[in-house]
Amino acid sequence: DIVMTQSPDSLAVSLGERATINCKSSQSVLYSSNNKNYLAWYQQKPGQPPKLLFYWASTREFGVPDRFSGSGSGTDFTLTISSLQAEDVALYYCQQYYSTPYTFGQGTKLEIK
Amino acid sequence: EVQLVESGGGLVQPGGSLRLSCAASGFTFSSFEMTWVRQAPGKGLDWVSYISSSGGTIYYADSVKGRFTMSRDNAKNSLYLQMNSLRADDTAVYFCGRTQAGGLIDFWGQGTLVTVSS
Repeated sequence: DIVMTQSPDSLAVSLGERATINCKSSQSVLYSSNNKNYLAWYQQKPGQPPKLLFYWASTREFGVPDRFSGSGSGTDFTLTISSLQAEDVALYYCQQYYSTPYTFGQGTKLEIK
Repeated sequence: EVQLVESGGGLVQPGGSLRLSCAASGFTFSSFEMTWVRQAPGKGLDWVSYISSSGGTIYYADSVKGRFTMSRDNAKNSLYLQMNSLRADDTAVYFCGRTQAGGLIDFWGQGTLVTVSS
């Protein structure tokens, strides 16, 4: 199984500042035949289901604000919020969909400092 | 509007069974793969099972293999998860999700809570 490890487990950032969440996979999730990284990012607010933010590591889902960006390739990935807003307080999860079981990271809790 | 509505959760004793349903609307259900993901109270997301659009391919997490059965009825726009031999560690909110590319969940239902306890 591919193990997904996020860092940090929790993060407190001031409003308007940058927030960075990392995700590392135990093996590459880059599929060589199409040069795509099978990596997604989700946001989950309290009492709500997860919401897709990014797929193919860096493709922003429709409606996601452009202060959010996804980057990385192979085994190392990053979710960045360029200017933190109050509504961004949530849990964030990465997930690999390269091979079953399609494992998630343990989650990163983002709070306001 | 895309909607996924899970139902069938509840309290069940260890060793018991439960059948979850997920009613889909607002999209062509038969064209999409589907996934079940669970979340234990206060914990992270745990991938449970996947089914192809036709129902011909199904995958399970090792933790549920042999106990859970995923199925779908495209004529009824419905997804199911039959859960047998339930254990305390199956206690979780179970989400169904519209899926693409095998494991990419682009839309999630609100979830249904399953509690396994005596």
